[in-house]
Amino acid sequence: ETGVTQTPRHLVMGMTNKKSLKCEQHLGHNAMYWYKQSAKKPLELMFVYNFKEQTENNSVPSRFSPECPNSSHLFLHLHTLQPEDSALYLCASSQGGGMNTEAFFGQGTRLTVV
Amino acid sequence: DQQVKQNSPSLSVQEGRISILNCDYTNSMFDYFLWYKKYPAEGPTFLISISSIKDKNEDGRFTVFLNKSAKHLSLHIVPSQPGDSAVYFCAATGSAQGGSEKLVFGKGTKLTVNP
Repeated sequence: ETGVTQTPRHLVMGMTNKKSLKCEQHLGHNAMYWYKQSAKKPLELMFVYNFKEQTENNSVPSRFSPECPNSSHLFLHLHTLQPEDSALYLCASSQGGGMNTEAFFGQGTRLTVV
Repeated sequence: DQQVKQNSPSLSVQEGRISILNCDYTNSMFDYFLWYKKYPAEGPTFLISISSIKDKNEDGRFTVFLNKSAKHLSLHIVPSQPGDSAVYFCAATGSAQGGSEKLVFGKGTKLTVNP
């Protein structure tokens, strides 16, 4: 497999549930991120990991908890979410190190909180 | 306040004609700009980029123009094809901002190419 792969593609969860989103990249990149895309809004950067270290937390509520066990895998742990958290969650990766390069995106997880 | 603005939410063009998508930015420290294309239910796909040392970059049917003094860039698609129908996102960053780890996106422009 190549590129950036996200699972699951769709997720429906209740407000009391705990679930995790998974992202895997096979591009040899050193930076991985989570973005949130809500309707009619720009992509919002949530978290950045550079060489497995979290370098950005864009004021994200603690009900979202990222984990980066190695440079190829990234998780987003979800608990006690709110209906307004329903959105498309996108994982991306890039070379890292603050370089001006393109980021490659996964296909996203469409999350619905009920 | 939005640092990257795509003021046209939608654009409709005829197959074979030119599509011009526009993007404005406010941060003068941005020195690297990208365009992404997104189909429904998929993630954005990288299309083309341009560094601020250039004013034009071309890749097949896609050309990006950068006007630094006006803080404006545009994506030209010639000739437009129905398969180009998608949402196009402009993004910007800079070496001082943190490069690709700090991409700032516009809201997107939905392009429809009619057969």
